[in-house]
Amino acid sequence: RKEVEQDPGPFNVPEGATVAFNCTYSNSASQSFFWYRQDCRKEPKLLMSVYSSGNEDGRFTAQLNRASQYISLLIRDSKLSDSATYLCVVNLYNQGGKLIFGQGTELSVKP
Amino acid sequence: GAVVSQHPSRVICKSGTSVKIECRSLDFQATTMFWYRQFPKQSLMLMATSNEGSKATYEQGVEKDKFLINHASLTLSTLTVTSAHPEDSSFYICSAIRSTARTFGSGTRLTVV
Repeated sequence: RKEVEQDPGPFNVPEGATVAFNCTYSNSASQSFFWYRQDCRKEPKLLMSVYSSGNEDGRFTAQLNRASQYISLLIRDSKLSDSATYLCVVNLYNQGGKLIFGQGTELSVKP
Repeated sequence: GAVVSQHPSRVICKSGTSVKIECRSLDFQATTMFWYRQFPKQSLMLMATSNEGSKATYEQGVEKDKFLINHASLTLSTLTVTSAHPEDSSFYICSAIRSTARTFGSGTRLTVV
């Protein structure tokens, strides 16, 4: 079983749509959680950290459920520029900063 | 903000040759550098963790004699792919921690022909 699993995708949506990404992690020792965005084989860039209380940044909302080991990302009013691959990432407790990446879910927003 | 400069961005080499990839931290001292590899349509997979002045720690299944990592200074870590073969063609990317923030190099696309 993969340590971090995401929806296989790709997601093809029209502009303005709401998109939800799901992610599960297998290691209960996971300490920190993130969503990264990666464009066309470039370096991943941090989109937002994820907290149990949930957090929102503009059109983006992230949620963490530690009991079910589940992480989500919601994008509202999607824009063409949101087209990218979204990576679910966890940091294991006491692992010296190692990040474990999900395989990513590709999003394509169409006009 | 913290910047990691990775070079080269693209390289094409012949099978059997070696390729060196450099990552430099430009405005901070990177005591730890993580090296990842990403095959098409797949996740970033951690290959090894390098610490300045000590031997790198390799992940299971990664050949330490094939992927040589040197972290001789606080601002430079290198990954050398020795005797490269076509199956080593991939996207290699480094990552360092500055304080609590994670910064990535821009990646190196290696093609072995």
